[in-house]
Amino acid sequence: KQEVTQIPAALSVPEGENLVLNCSFTDSAIYNLQWFRQDPGKGLTSLLLIQSSQREQTSGRLNASLDKSSGRSTLYIAASQPGDSATYLCAVKVGGSARQLTFGSGTQLTVLP
Amino acid sequence: KAGVTQTPRYLIKTRGQQVTLSCSPISGHRSVSWYQQTPGQGLQFLFEYFSETQRNKGNFPGRFSGRQFSNSRSEMNVSTLELGDSALYLCASSFSDHNEKLFFGSGTQLSVL
Repeated sequence: KQEVTQIPAALSVPEGENLVLNCSFTDSAIYNLQWFRQDPGKGLTSLLLIQSSQREQTSGRLNASLDKSSGRSTLYIAASQPGDSATYLCAVKVGGSARQLTFGSGTQLTVLP
Repeated sequence: KAGVTQTPRYLIKTRGQQVTLSCSPISGHRSVSWYQQTPGQGLQFLFEYFSETQRNKGNFPGRFSGRQFSNSRSEMNVSTLELGDSALYLCASSFSDHNEKLFFGSGTQLSVL
């Protein structure tokens, strides 16, 4: 059974700092990995999608990497801003008959002005 | 282009009642999936529909059911509500059931008293 772990559970940084969020998964047989952002009481916003054949994806100040062999992904946020404060979730799409997303428990990020 | 629309936004029910939640995907999207989010269990997959067919179902009791209509709109139903069913129910859509970004709605917050 696929398990996804995110460390740390919470992170507080001063504005302007570069930071890295971590995600690990137990089964490397994945179709893709997505990073999402969730604001309190809201739905999820997809930030980056990395296919299993890719190593990284970039969008603006965000960069996500994927290392399937080690079961790890990182989300790098450059020059953090208070508006980046949210919960960040990673999710892997497994294959076979269970083509569904398995989510980590998230990292709650607070960027202090 | 309108996003994923979920109705109602909030719902309060009592134990034993049944509830129906609605999801309208992004125009042109044919895949709809449902997730339950609770503080204790995080995000868990409920089921996925594509072209009116249920493709996958998560590990939930038979009280949880769903369907998809020819216009891709989806409904999920929970019968004989229990206190533990209190959660944020999220719907997500994508164009196909392949490796694409998921677009989530804002969710329906269900409280069971």
